[in-house]
Amino acid sequence: KAGVTQTPRYLIKTRGQQVTLSCSPISGHRSVSWYQQTPGQGLQFLFEYFSETQRNKGNFPGRFSGRQFSNSRSEMNVSTLELGDSALYLCASSFTGATRNEQFFGPGTRLTVL
Amino acid sequence: AQKVTQAQTEISVVEKEDVTLDCVYETRDTTYYLFWYKQPPSGELVFLIRRNSFDEQNEISGRYSWNFQKSTSSFNFTITASQVVDSAVYFCALSENNAGNMLTFGGGTRLMVKP
Repeated sequence: KAGVTQTPRYLIKTRGQQVTLSCSPISGHRSVSWYQQTPGQGLQFLFEYFSETQRNKGNFPGRFSGRQFSNSRSEMNVSTLELGDSALYLCASSFTGATRNEQFFGPGTRLTVL
Repeated sequence: AQKVTQAQTEISVVEKEDVTLDCVYETRDTTYYLFWYKQPPSGELVFLIRRNSFDEQNEISGRYSWNFQKSTSSFNFTITASQVVDSAVYFCALSENNAGNMLTFGGGTRLMVKP
């Protein structure tokens, strides 16, 4: 079974631009969560999607948005990029949205904002 | 609000030593789940264990063992006879029962195992 895949793996953008990151969950998984990892703030929850609906949202500005498609693939978008958005963005998938389920993480997309 | 604290930011040991990574959590929920993840240099988080708040049994899996104590809100992780391949950043995380799959992570402990 293929794992969680994220594209692209690396991205360089400049301030003010926008970016879209993609996550393909494990086949059959319906929940996708996104996390931002930075040296200063650590791992922080961005949002979770389950069956195309956003179920939870972390404490991030509205410039961060996401969506989930009917095949469970998810995208997150960051508009008007700032230097502080440079981070490793991790996606995790789970079979259902139940807390007790194990989440499988992808390799991440490393975003650098210049 | 929930919080996870990993006071040890970095630990260095010599191969074959035992090492314990500490994790202390805060939550107001009575039902919650605790996790440990390993992050090797490649960046991908690897699931190690999940424990629910009603199961205080210690668990052993090979060289890994976990000690969950609700009385002290701790969920510590011990690696016995450490190996160089254990070098990674280890994260403890908490998920409250009605929070879906939202994980609150600790700051992580970087473990360096030297040959």
